[in-house]
Amino acid sequence: QKEVEQNSGPLSVPEGAIASLNCTYSDRGSQSFFWYRQYSGKSPELIMSIYSNGDKEDGRFTAQLNKASQYVSLLIRDSQPSDSATYLCAVNEGRGSTLGRLYFGRGTQLTVWP
Amino acid sequence: EAGVAQSPRYKIIEKRQSVAFWCNPISGHATLYWYQQILGQGPKLLIQFQNNGVVDDSQLPKDRFSAERLKGVDSTLKIQPAKLEDSAVYLCASSFRVAGELFFGEGSRLTVL
Repeated sequence: QKEVEQNSGPLSVPEGAIASLNCTYSDRGSQSFFWYRQYSGKSPELIMSIYSNGDKEDGRFTAQLNKASQYVSLLIRDSQPSDSATYLCAVNEGRGSTLGRLYFGRGTQLTVWP
Repeated sequence: EAGVAQSPRYKIIEKRQSVAFWCNPISGHATLYWYQQILGQGPKLLIQFQNNGVVDDSQLPKDRFSAERLKGVDSTLKIQPAKLEDSAVYLCASSFRVAGELFFGEGSRLTVL
């Protein structure tokens, strides 16, 4: 059984701080990695995807991937109360453009307080 | 662009009864997924369709769950008979080309009493 592990939190940071969310995965052959945000009572929505080692930045969000360590993280700079949600790490065993099963972690609950 | 449509949004049934959920994916999305999300957990894939063919149903409890995708568009997920542990949100999602970049519907919340 392929595992995606996340610290369930809750993670609490003040407004304006950097929130750091971490994820490890068990399948060394995994090729693509995703972060989804899920507000309470809502469905997950994709916020970042990353396929290569290193950093990928999109606005206030930065995804970091280290395949050798089987580790992926999400940094949220200048955190806002509207960022308060559960962040789900997801890992796909296939390459980005092909079919494969997407494994989700349990999610990390983030609270940003004013 | 219309999103993924699901119905019903909420359903309460007693154990051993049956229930069906419907999903209409985003137009043009060939891949359709049904996920089960139990409170406090991440989504768990139940079944994945590519057009009207099943790609992966290894985690579908086939003794009680069934799913179909007729004509490669709409899909129905059925549970019969329901158990207490089936209480969850059933999420339908679709993707266009890139596996992993999913668009989710609002979900169908099932409560089994």
